[in-house]
Amino acid sequence: QKEVEQNSGPLSVPEGAIASLNCTYSDRGSQSFFWYRQYSGKSPELIMFIYSNGDKEDGRFTAQLNKASQYVSLLIRDSQPSDSATYLCAVPPLSGGYNKLIFGAGTRLAVHP
Amino acid sequence: GAVVSQHPSRVICKSGTSVKIECRSLDFQATTMFWYRQFPKQSLMLMATSNEGSKATYEQGVEKDKFLINHASLTLSTLTVTSAHPEDSSFYICSARGGPGTSDTQYFGPGTRLTVL
Repeated sequence: QKEVEQNSGPLSVPEGAIASLNCTYSDRGSQSFFWYRQYSGKSPELIMFIYSNGDKEDGRFTAQLNKASQYVSLLIRDSQPSDSATYLCAVPPLSGGYNKLIFGAGTRLAVHP
Repeated sequence: GAVVSQHPSRVICKSGTSVKIECRSLDFQATTMFWYRQFPKQSLMLMATSNEGSKATYEQGVEKDKFLINHASLTLSTLTVTSAHPEDSSFYICSARGGPGTSDTQYFGPGTRLTVL
């Protein structure tokens, strides 16, 4: 089992809809979780992080964490074509030092007008 | 805050030459810097982790003699691709830890696209 798993997509949603991106992780003791967005040909940029169970909202983005189910998701409300990108979920491994992040393969989101 | 720069943004070189890529944290001190490589339509691949003043830790399968990493200060890390070959052509991205956010938060540079002819 991969440490961080994401559906590769593409996830296609119409403009204005809610996009729901999901991520599961294998390390039950993981404490913090990150969502990055990567446009084609660009480097990843941090959207938000979450470390407590429940929801965390930042503008149109909401991260949801369920540690019991080892599941973290990212909701994008009022999706815009400019949200079309690959979304990466990342989790620090409990072992391995230097606080590196384990990235999922990413989910490609396509928002169509 | 938390701006990371990389230089150059794009480089084309001949096979057999060496290429140096710089990564700088502009507004924070980076306790740790990371180097990633990404081939087209593939996932980020962590190459190595470096802490200021100590040797880099390379991921399995990454040749440390080919990819030389120097982390001379808390704001600068360099990656040198030695004797580059066409198969080294890729998008190289650095990230830095130590800015705002949690201790694990990584901020990425804009990346360097390397083409080896």
